[in-house]
Amino acid sequence: KAGVTQTPRYLIKTRGQQVTLSCSPISGHRSVSWYQQTPGQGLQFLFEYFSETQRNKGNFPGRFSGRQFSNSRSEMNVSTLELGDSALYLCASSLVWDTDTQYFGPGTRLTVL
Amino acid sequence: EDQVTQSPEALRLQEGESSSLNCSYTVSGLRGLFWYRQDPGKGPEFLFTLYSAGEEKEKERLKATLTKKESFLHITAPKPEDSATYLCAGGSLGDYKLSFGAGTTVTVRA
Repeated sequence: KAGVTQTPRYLIKTRGQQVTLSCSPISGHRSVSWYQQTPGQGLQFLFEYFSETQRNKGNFPGRFSGRQFSNSRSEMNVSTLELGDSALYLCASSLVWDTDTQYFGPGTRLTVL
Repeated sequence: EDQVTQSPEALRLQEGESSSLNCSYTVSGLRGLFWYRQDPGKGPEFLFTLYSAGEEKEKERLKATLTKKESFLHITAPKPEDSATYLCAGGSLGDYKLSFGAGTTVTVRA
């Protein structure tokens, strides 16, 4: 069974640019969550989607947005990048009836110069 | 606001030397307490979910326990392959997010 896939794996951007990250959940999983991981702040929740609806949002500025498509694939977008946005962005998916067991992808390493 | 604190930050063990990791939490309406393992360059890997005080779960050399304020991850007779960062997270009722602790990095020397 294929795991959660995230693309791209590595990304380098400059301040002020915008970026879109993609996440394909495990087949059959309809809930997708996004997290930001940094050495200083650890893993922080960004948002969670189910059936194309955002059900939860973390304490991040409006520059961070996301969406989910009808096939459960999800994208997150960060506009007007800042140096502090450099992080590992992780996507996790889960089954509808077992949202407590989240399966994480390998992450996208974003570096903002 | 939900708070999850893990200690120690780092733990160096000799192979076979058992130890425990601590996770203290303040989560309103705890839905569950979760343990993950993260290897360098990889996403977290799910280990356990604990739902109520007194609950225990085991997997190979790992055993997780839960009280009303803390959770412990016991590593019995660790091997070098148990070296990883162990993350604890709390989830609230009616909420789909997880609040993670900073993690404990375990290094097991042969």
